[in-house]
Amino acid sequence: DSGVTQTPKHLITATGQRVTLRCSPRSGDLSVYWYQQSLDQGLQFLIQYYNGEERAKGNILERFSAQQFPDLHSELNLSSLELGDSALYFCASSVGSGLTDTQYFGPGTRLTVL
Amino acid sequence: AQKITQTQPGMFVQEKEAVTLDCTYDTSDPSYGLFWYKQPSSGEMIFLIYQGSYDQQNATEGRYSLNFQKARKSANLVISASQLGDSAMYFCAMREGGTGGFKTIFGAGTRLFVKA
Repeated sequence: DSGVTQTPKHLITATGQRVTLRCSPRSGDLSVYWYQQSLDQGLQFLIQYYNGEERAKGNILERFSAQQFPDLHSELNLSSLELGDSALYFCASSVGSGLTDTQYFGPGTRLTVL
Repeated sequence: AQKITQTQPGMFVQEKEAVTLDCTYDTSDPSYGLFWYKQPSSGEMIFLIYQGSYDQQNATEGRYSLNFQKARKSANLVISASQLGDSAMYFCAMREGGTGGFKTIFGAGTRLFVKA
């Protein structure tokens, strides 16, 4: 157990809908990262927050947004869902936001868009 | 261009033997970090080992060691004394800087099968 929690574990929804994925980092970690893992694209970095502020942005679609709250938990919002958004979404956390910071991953949320 | 290349989609190893999983990377940044993660069939991503670009010695963590050859831009993972529980997907990743902060790029992974 990495200490990173994600809810829900599974989510099934329809195209066009909006969902929110939630992540709580390990105790003491200030950075939260979001990743998408799909069969065709592999593991893709989406976005990183550090202590409430956006720190780095990867291949995140405009339909997706995220935020990190004062208690350091984070939410990833996915809207206007398409079939291709079906994937495993990981949250990871680290103490800092530097080059050498090891990221510890949560168990993931499996999103299925029908 | 691929930044992280794992050329072995699948590999077999006999239990108790050592195995090397290949990883090459591409960056022009002198400062970067290299990571290996394990993903069992249950789906979670487990951190295994880290190597910094300025580290002089190869990283080791228990049965895992990283064969870091900077000039060749390779960071191969060596698992000694393989166990059945080592059967999983293994991902090599690189963290580097640039405009817009540090980003982590993952390779496509290598699926390791440990045979009894």
